[in-house]
Amino acid sequence: QQPVQSPQAVILREGEDAVINCSSSKALYSVHWYRQKHGEAPVFLMILLKGGEQKGHEKISASFNEKKQQSSLYLTASQLSYSGTYFCGTVALMAGSARQLTFGSGTQLTVLP
Amino acid sequence: AAGVIQSPRHLIKEKRETATLKCYPIPRHDTVYWYQQGPGQDPQFLISFYEKMQSDKGSIPDRFSAQQFSDYHSELNMSSLELGDSALYFCASSFGSGAEKLFFGSGTQLSVL
Repeated sequence: QQPVQSPQAVILREGEDAVINCSSSKALYSVHWYRQKHGEAPVFLMILLKGGEQKGHEKISASFNEKKQQSSLYLTASQLSYSGTYFCGTVALMAGSARQLTFGSGTQLTVLP
Repeated sequence: AAGVIQSPRHLIKEKRETATLKCYPIPRHDTVYWYQQGPGQDPQFLISFYEKMQSDKGSIPDRFSAQQFSDYHSELNMSSLELGDSALYFCASSFGSGAEKLFFGSGTQLSVL
């Protein structure tokens, strides 16, 4: 089942902050975050494996609440280059070694000068 | 650094024709994933292979088949093409079967006329 992302779209001015949320109805093994620009491949931002884990990548960070099966992506002091569609991807906790990454519906982020 | 290579970059076919998409993973990556992305939509998981064996299956139509070869490259074969198959097809690779960080290729844009 596809994770639910919110909001669907965000418009920011340079320097403003944004939060993108991702939630799943399944117990999760991991949460991924990717950014995709129009016509290009998704680019990996970060992966969170443990409940309560937080990670950072420049001014982009994320948290993962394992108990609530939720993750949030935080973009601070946004730059024009942050524009794109952000996808969370979830990997369900299940028996066996195979893992399937299921993407959310995406959040379109537009940063204006 | 070597990336995931997909070929062809663009492909135009007519209804009921067949198409073969190729994917060459990053060296030493043993897992390949195929995704289909329609215009304005999120990537939909099709199928994955780990160590040349199918590891997981998503929303892949019966008209499609795929395999991973001894050199770890993968091919997605699509038969009886339909207009609705027009999409961007991404291949991604990772090391290990646990859906760790996925590296995406540039995609193959398939247009069915």
